[in-house]
Amino acid sequence: DAGVTQSPTHLIKTRGQHVTLRCSPISGHKSVSWYQQVLGQGPQFIFQYYEKEERGRGNFPDRFSARQFPNYSSELNVNALLLGDSALYLCASSQAGTNSIGEQFFGPGTRLTVL
Amino acid sequence: KNQVEQSPQSLIILEGKNCTLQCNYTVSPFSNLRWYKQDTGRGPVSLTIMTFSENTKSNGRYTATLDADTKQSSLHITASQLSDSASYICVVSACGNNRLAFGKGNQVVVIP
Repeated sequence: DAGVTQSPTHLIKTRGQHVTLRCSPISGHKSVSWYQQVLGQGPQFIFQYYEKEERGRGNFPDRFSARQFPNYSSELNVNALLLGDSALYLCASSQAGTNSIGEQFFGPGTRLTVL
Repeated sequence: KNQVEQSPQSLIILEGKNCTLQCNYTVSPFSNLRWYKQDTGRGPVSLTIMTFSENTKSNGRYTATLDADTKQSSLHITASQLSDSASYICVVSACGNNRLAFGKGNQVVVIP
């Protein structure tokens, strides 16, 4: 059974560009969370989606947006990229309901480099 | 101030030796604590999950302990192997909250 998958694995963009990252959760999981992990730091929470609705948002600017599709896959969009957006972007899925996160299973991440 | 603090920040150990990583948290009300192993450039992989009533849990050579009264956890690695070189992240969740509080990780390097 496939785990959480993310695409692309690596991405290089320049400042001001837009990027879309994709995540497919484990089959049967309805919750997807996005995290940003800067080198040497722990993951920082960006968004959580459950049943296609946003259930939580971290302290990130409006340049960051996300959505979840009927098949529970998700996209993270970042506009007007800054150098500081360079990071590993992690997607995690779980069977969580609205008030509990459940056990999260992480994907391999997308390494974004902004030049 | 981060709700989850881990120490030491980094650690170098000889292959075959044991080591213990520490995690202190202030998250309240406590729901559960997880330890993840993250290889460089990869996603974290779950090692253990402990709830309030559990004070020790093992996964192979990894043993986690939890003291919910003092809000401390440890991860003990027995007979370390080169493949144990990774970052070990402590993650705590609160009751009725869909947020997780992440530590910055303990960077472990195992040398032959």
